[in-house]
Amino acid sequence: NAGVTQTPKFRILKIGQSMTLQCTQDMNHNYMYWYRQDPGMGLKLIYYSVGAGITDKGEVPNGYNVSRSTTEDFPLRLELAAPSQTSVYFCASSYQRIAATNEKLFFGSGTQLSVL
Amino acid sequence: EDKVVQSPLSLVVHEGDTVTLNCSYEVTNFRSLLWYKQEKKAPTFLFMLTSSGIEKKSGRLSSILDKKELFSILNITATQTGDSAIYLCAVDVRGGANNLFFGTGTRLTVIP
Repeated sequence: NAGVTQTPKFRILKIGQSMTLQCTQDMNHNYMYWYRQDPGMGLKLIYYSVGAGITDKGEVPNGYNVSRSTTEDFPLRLELAAPSQTSVYFCASSYQRIAATNEKLFFGSGTQLSVL
Repeated sequence: EDKVVQSPLSLVVHEGDTVTLNCSYEVTNFRSLLWYKQEKKAPTFLFMLTSSGIEKKSGRLSSILDKKELFSILNITATQTGDSAIYLCAVDVRGGANNLFFGTGTRLTVIP
């Protein structure tokens, strides 16, 4: 099983550029999430989705956009990249909401993004 | 504001040592506490704890929750170099999907 697949693994952007981080899962999970992890910090939720066509903001949504046109895909868009967006980005998914009936989050392998 | 605090931030031990990692939390509407191990890439699930005093165990790893004092510990006995990782604690709160709050993690290094 592929699980949660993120691309690219690494990217360097110049200030003001835009890009899309791709995330796809093949587990038919309803819930998908984007987190960022800064050095020495815990994961912070950027956006999440509870199903196709439904998205909502997390703790740190500014500077990002998402869409969920299919169950499988949940891309994260960065418009006008800023140095503060230098981070490791993780996509995750779960069938039900987190920790419902011992549900777990399945994480992708991460995208290391540097904005210079 | 919901908060999850882990200690120590980092720890270096020798193989064979026993370690205890701490996670304390202040959240509204606590549902459960989760431990993840993060090596070079994605976090992987270790334990979920919902009830006080019930130890979860998997091999050399064990964890317990104290809902009165609002903390959890993760124990690793007879540590091995493969245990070197960042250990993340996360707390799930009731209501919505935006409800998993992560601590900053404890970086464990096990040296031969």
